[in-house]
Amino acid sequence: AQTVTQSQPEMSVQEAETVTLSCTYDTSESDYYLFWYKQPPSRQMILVIRQEAYKQQNATENRFSVNFQKAAKSFSLKISDSQLGDAAMYFCAYRSATAGANSKLTFGKGITLSVRP
Amino acid sequence: GAVVSQHPSRVICKSGTSVKIECRSLDFQATTMFWYRQFPKKSLMLMATSNEGSKATYEQGVEKDKFLINHASLTLSTLTVTSAHPEDSSFYICSAPLGWGQGVANYGYTFGSGTRLTVV
Repeated sequence: AQTVTQSQPEMSVQEAETVTLSCTYDTSESDYYLFWYKQPPSRQMILVIRQEAYKQQNATENRFSVNFQKAAKSFSLKISDSQLGDAAMYFCAYRSATAGANSKLTFGKGITLSVRP
Repeated sequence: GAVVSQHPSRVICKSGTSVKIECRSLDFQATTMFWYRQFPKKSLMLMATSNEGSKATYEQGVEKDKFLINHASLTLSTLTVTSAHPEDSSFYICSAPLGWGQGVANYGYTFGSGTRLTVV
């Protein structure tokens, strides 16, 4: 079974600064997808960024980028130029690419990010 | 695109009564729906997986008779909390997996906005 580990329960960043959220995972599969989801106080889950394991290039979405280290099974999220609206709970998640189109997500425990003005 | 509409957003019910939560896929067909429960500041805990036209698959430890899941059509999945008790108070979220050709969230998932259930 796959597991996703987010060992830091909370982090804080100064507005306009950069912060990195850590995530490691364990799997025996070679093909999979990794996600970072944001859950703001509204509790709506929002996709931040996605990485396909077969792609060596790290995914980037505006101020959000990942550092995907497949051999180390690490998938960290970097938020640049942090904004007050980035304050939320962030979840790292894993999806198998071989378990079928309807395979479930495996979530980490999440990290609460606060942004200091 | 690929929106799941979840209702109600908030519900308060008396202990012993039943509550139904609906999740509708508005612009796509959801053959599968995942149902999660979330406690404050905690991760999403998968309760069950519903598939259109077949019985739901429940995770270990989830009471099938208490949390009735029905996937009546390709656009509607429901979770009914039967004989609710205060310990059932929680935040419930549905989510549908996205397949190929469903926009920028290919291989991802779309989530309902959640239902805050309070049992008094």
